Amino acid sequence: DAGVIQSPRHEVTEMGQEVTLRCKPISGHDYLFWYRQTMMRGLELLIYFNNNVPIDDSGMPEDRFSAKMPNASFSTLKIQPSEPRDSAVYFCASSAHYEKLFFGSGTQLSVL
Amino acid sequence: SQQGEEDPQALSIQEGENATMNCSYKTSINNLQWYRQNSGRGLVHLILIRSNEREKHSGRLRVTLDTSKKSSSLLITASRAADTASYFCATIIQGAQKLVFGQGTRLTINP
Repeated sequence: DAGVIQSPRHEVTEMGQEVTLRCKPISGHDYLFWYRQTMMRGLELLIYFNNNVPIDDSGMPEDRFSAKMPNASFSTLKIQPSEPRDSAVYFCASSAHYEKLFFGSGTQLSVL
Repeated sequence: SQQGEEDPQALSIQEGENATMNCSYKTSINNLQWYRQNSGRGLVHLILIRSNEREKHSGRLRVTLDTSKKSSSLLITASRAADTASYFCATIIQGAQKLVFGQGTRLTINP
């Protein structure tokens, strides 16, 4: 199994631009999580899905952030418009039963 | 807000020594997990201990859980240079299905 696959690995964009992060979970996993990691705030849970349905999005910072999971093998996290304070590493993780999580390698986002 | 807090924030030891990291949490949990993160990489699950367990072993790892004190410890025995990483505790709060992470302990093993 290739594990959780995230793309792109690095993203540099200008303030105001739309950013889309992508995630392919491990096949057979029915939970998918989006986390954001910064030095100041550590690892923050943004949103998680169960069977493609968003369960808890209370961690999404504001309306500029949105996440979708159109099918069991794909999820996106979109930021529109992006701001410099959104600069962080964004991780996607999947799990078979919300306990043991498998993380992707992350997307390093820099908003200039 | 963070559920778990690791202590110390940073730890530097010599290769071969044992490393102990602690985690305290605030609310009742279903289980507590430890993850490792190498620089520039995603987190990797190390071990899970349930709320009704007191101690668990996996290779050179030993985890303890004291629910009365709301604390856990991770012991890495006979440390190696490859153990250099950040270590995070994470908890699943009772009634929830999401994993909340602490701020982590940065461990450096000196050769």
